[in-house]
Amino acid sequence: DQQVKQNSPSLSVQEGRISILNCDYTNSMFDYFLWYKKYPAEGPTFLISISSIKDKNEDGRFTVFLNKSAKHLSLHIVPSQPGDSAVYFCAASDTGANSKLTFGKGITLSVRP
Amino acid sequence: KAGVTQTPRYLIKTRGQQVTLSCSPISGHRSVSWYQQTPGQGLQFLFEYFSETQRNKGNFPGRFSGRQFSNSRSEMNVSTLELGDSALYLCASRKLTGTSNTGELFFGEGSRLTVL
Repeated sequence: DQQVKQNSPSLSVQEGRISILNCDYTNSMFDYFLWYKKYPAEGPTFLISISSIKDKNEDGRFTVFLNKSAKHLSLHIVPSQPGDSAVYFCAASDTGANSKLTFGKGITLSVRP
Repeated sequence: KAGVTQTPRYLIKTRGQQVTLSCSPISGHRSVSWYQQTPGQGLQFLFEYFSETQRNKGNFPGRFSGRQFSNSRSEMNVSTLELGDSALYLCASRKLTGTSNTGELFFGEGSRLTVL
């Protein structure tokens, strides 16, 4: 039962354009969401997060949008750079006593020079 | 400060053997989680330890086990290895407080296990 879904396995974008990475979740108890970025042969690194009390969080070129009614979040990267080429994982958790992070399967982003 | 350290980085085992992987969390982090990454499956949660106690567990068979020591270092063990256990095993630590059970995970570089 995939509670966090990243339905598109890959995305290719031209340098300078916007990259939009989508993520859907099914568990209505999730109230904290994160995006991680992973390069080959490295561990994932934290990128940006958002709690359910917000619908947008921005950090430089990265913005995460949360639509709670649709159980959908998206990561926008503007402008995209070749160094952004990596696998991006969406993750979600509740804030209960035994919370754990549940990850999606990841999206491979390729930014073309 | 030093990041999450995992050893060994690479190892090859044969079916039926067992393996132990080690993880040293970031100093001050008392929570250690383990994830399995395989192609097409993303990061699948194995278990999380906090203050030497298993706090949460994923849907893996009993062949997968772990423990945490008083210095927060953690080990995971896989017994009776199967071909399907070939994967990247990632350890992550985070700083849990009494008022917040979220907190970003900091990952190590992983231990790449190949089962022949």
